[in-house]
Amino acid sequence: AQSVSQHNHHVILSEAASLELGCNYSYGGTVNLFWYVQYPGQHLQLLLKYFSGDPLVKGIKGFEAEFIKSKFSFNLRKPSVQWSDTAEYFCAAENTGNQFYFGTGTSLTVIP
Amino acid sequence: KAGVTQTPRYLIKTRGQQVTLSCSPISGHRSVSWYQQTPGQGLQFLFEYFSETQRNKGNFPGRFSGRQFSNSRSEMNVSTLELGDSALYLCASSLRSGSYEQYFGPGTRLTVT
Repeated sequence: AQSVSQHNHHVILSEAASLELGCNYSYGGTVNLFWYVQYPGQHLQLLLKYFSGDPLVKGIKGFEAEFIKSKFSFNLRKPSVQWSDTAEYFCAAENTGNQFYFGTGTSLTVIP
Repeated sequence: KAGVTQTPRYLIKTRGQQVTLSCSPISGHRSVSWYQQTPGQGLQFLFEYFSETQRNKGNFPGRFSGRQFSNSRSEMNVSTLELGDSALYLCASSLRSGSYEQYFGPGTRLTVT
């Protein structure tokens, strides 16, 4: 069955630390990949997306993600986190049938 | 422009009852998707409607159904509620079906007792 796995359930970092959140998907065909973020008390919103082309995609607020096809991965990175990055992060994959699969989310807490 | 709205925001029902949730997409958006969010399972795709037609369906039992109206508003219905249906139900709208950015609403928190 198709799925998206996020291996880090809870991450706690100090401000200015670097961030990498793992995401793996299980689907052999062409996929579109997304990272969504949910800040406390707010709606889910799109951070970045990958459809094709350059496997390194840049999103809002200094986030980026790298698509590695051979590893079925789409990890999210940020060189230096801020307290305002405290949120829940969801990785998602869309298959060729336009069905979306979300990971279970990673809760990030940034300590000032 | 106004975002995605969902009503009601909170709902408490008892087992065996049925419930209808409503979603109004962003103006101009014709695709509406529904998700169930629970702590252990994350977001699970229920179905997507585009131009009043169900385009995609996730792996949920037939007790979960939906529809979309000509103004793109969508409703989701759950019949014969079970305790396990307690969750946050999220609606997301996008301009068209497939590969377009989804905009999420605040969700409806359903509690089944």
